[in-house]
Amino acid sequence: EADIYQTPRYLVIGTGKKITLECSQTMGHDKMYWYQQDPGMELHLIHYSYGVNSTEKGDLSSESTVSRIRTEHFPLTLESARPSHTSQYLCASSGGLVYGYTFGSGTRLTVV
Amino acid sequence: GNSVTQMEGPVTLSEEAFLTINCTYTATGYPSLFWYVQYPGEGLQLLLKATKADDKGSNKGFEATYRKETTSFHLEKGSVQVSDSAVYFCALSNVNFGNEKLTFGTGTRLTIIP
Repeated sequence: EADIYQTPRYLVIGTGKKITLECSQTMGHDKMYWYQQDPGMELHLIHYSYGVNSTEKGDLSSESTVSRIRTEHFPLTLESARPSHTSQYLCASSGGLVYGYTFGSGTRLTVV
Repeated sequence: GNSVTQMEGPVTLSEEAFLTINCTYTATGYPSLFWYVQYPGEGLQLLLKATKADDKGSNKGFEATYRKETTSFHLEKGSVQVSDSAVYFCALSNVNFGNEKLTFGTGTRLTIIP
């Protein structure tokens, strides 16, 4: 079944650690997105990609980085985690915006 | 630019009550409009959409009509259930103007009490 997967679902990690949040989709979508969702629910676009080797920063400045080496894979990396990075991170993909986005289940990150 | 203004929450209703969550938008051209739902601990799921004026999107008893004259896409349900408790996001896309990203509203938290 075509879907989008995020791992891990939950992560508690110490300050200064390097982490990678995984996002994979099996739908062959070119467009992929990372959102940060604060406790107030609002969604903030932090990175997006329109295809392999294409990545752009989003509307909210983030210390994270992304890569897009394969169509199906769009990982997000934090080189040195800080408590201010504690948030829910949502990955999405799109096969054409008239169809909207398909979202993963999210990764809830806590940095202690 | 594009923007979405959504009814502020939280909204609390009794089971079987009528629901309306207001959404208005600003966009040039002819955007597509969406409602997404986020259940606790989950990502967002597409609830319904409409791609042109006067279209009505519907799913799971929810409905929304694309009103270009009032630039609105209000979400309605005739009789809500406890299982409808979630956060609802209105969104638009404006493909014809090169915008490859959805613009989201700030979300409305809905709680249904038995």
